[in-house]
Amino acid sequence: KAGVTQTPRYLIKTRGQQVTLSCSPISGHRSVSWYQQTPGQGLQFLFEYFSETQRNKGNFPGRFSGRQFSNSRSEMNVSTLELGDSALYLCASSFIVRDSPYEQYFGPGTRLTVT
Amino acid sequence: AQTVTQSQPEMSVQEAETVTLSCTYDTSESDYYLFWYKQPPSRQMILVIRQEAYKQQNATENRFSVNFQKAAKSFSLKISDSQLGDAAMYFCAYRSFNAGGTSYGKLTFGQGTILTVHP
Repeated sequence: KAGVTQTPRYLIKTRGQQVTLSCSPISGHRSVSWYQQTPGQGLQFLFEYFSETQRNKGNFPGRFSGRQFSNSRSEMNVSTLELGDSALYLCASSFIVRDSPYEQYFGPGTRLTVT
Repeated sequence: AQTVTQSQPEMSVQEAETVTLSCTYDTSESDYYLFWYKQPPSRQMILVIRQEAYKQQNATENRFSVNFQKAAKSFSLKISDSQLGDAAMYFCAYRSFNAGGTSYGKLTFGQGTILTVHP
């Protein structure tokens, strides 16, 4: 079974631009979560989508948004990029079963650099 | 809100020896899950082991085992017979067990511990 895929793997953008990152979950996984990883703040939860609905959102400004499609693929968008948005963005998918720990499986990440 | 603390920014171990990574967490919930993830230089996060809070028995996965102390809110990872391939950043993570709640699917991570394995 193929793992979580993220595209693109690397991205360089200029301050003020916007960016869209894509995540394809493992087949059968309907939950997709996004995390931002930076050296200073560590791993921080952005949001989670399940069945095309955002179920939970971390403490990030409204410039960060996302969506999920009917095939469970997810995109996240960052508008008006700031230098501080430079980070590794990780996507994780999980299979939802009641009473299951449904561990999250991570993709390789998208390295975003804002100049 | 839950917090996870890893007090050891860096640890080192000799190949074939045993090392223990520490993790403490703070929560008011009684049901939850705890995980250890490994992130090698490739940056790919890999699940190492998981522990359900309602289970008293400590989880084990081959050379990896945990010491789960629920009352003390402690969740340490022991790596036995360390191998060069174990070198990575290790993250402790917490997730609520709340099938209908808003924290469903959210992992709270510690700051990470960099593990170096010496040959």
